[in-house]
Amino acid sequence: KAGVTQTPRYLIKTRGQQVTLSCSPISGHRSVSWYQQTPGQGLQFLFEYFSETQRNKGNFPGRFSGRQFSNSRSEMNVSTLELGDSALYLCASSLSGDQETQYFGPGTRLLVL
Amino acid sequence: QKEVEQNSGPLSVPEGAIASLNCTYSDRGSQSFFWYRQYSGKSPELIMFIYSNGDKEDGRFTAQLNKASQYVSLLIRDSQPSDSATYLCAAIDRYGNKLVFGAGTILRVKS
Repeated sequence: KAGVTQTPRYLIKTRGQQVTLSCSPISGHRSVSWYQQTPGQGLQFLFEYFSETQRNKGNFPGRFSGRQFSNSRSEMNVSTLELGDSALYLCASSLSGDQETQYFGPGTRLLVL
Repeated sequence: QKEVEQNSGPLSVPEGAIASLNCTYSDRGSQSFFWYRQYSGKSPELIMFIYSNGDKEDGRFTAQLNKASQYVSLLIRDSQPSDSATYLCAAIDRYGNKLVFGAGTILRVKS
């Protein structure tokens, strides 16, 4: 089975812009979670989607949003980018998300200038 | 108090030795625990998961869970230089679908 894929892999944006990141889960996986990883804060949970519904949300401002499509692919959007949004954004998928193993994609490295 | 705590290291061990990585968690409702390995610039890669008290072995890796003490550990036998990485301990929260990560322990295996 193909693993989790994320696009784009690298992105450079300027403050105030917005960005959309994409994640395709492992075939058959219906839960997609997003995480932000920075050197200072480590890996932090953004949100989780299952069956096109946001099921859980971390402590991030409303500028961070996401959605999931009927084929389980997910996108996350960050509006009005700030310098502090520079990070590795990771997507992880699991079958149903309930106490299950999550498999990570390669990540999208975002640099905000 | 952080929900999942790990010693950041670095932990240095000679090649062939046993590396012992430790983790504590605060949420008694957590039921599932995971160890991920992350090489610099790469995404986390699952090594092992453990749900039940006791030991679970997979090749050179052994995960140990003690729910009474809220303690999880990972032992790496016959450590190799290729094991040098950051090891992330994670717990799924009591609601079942959010992974909470520790800060990670840097392991260095010296040849």
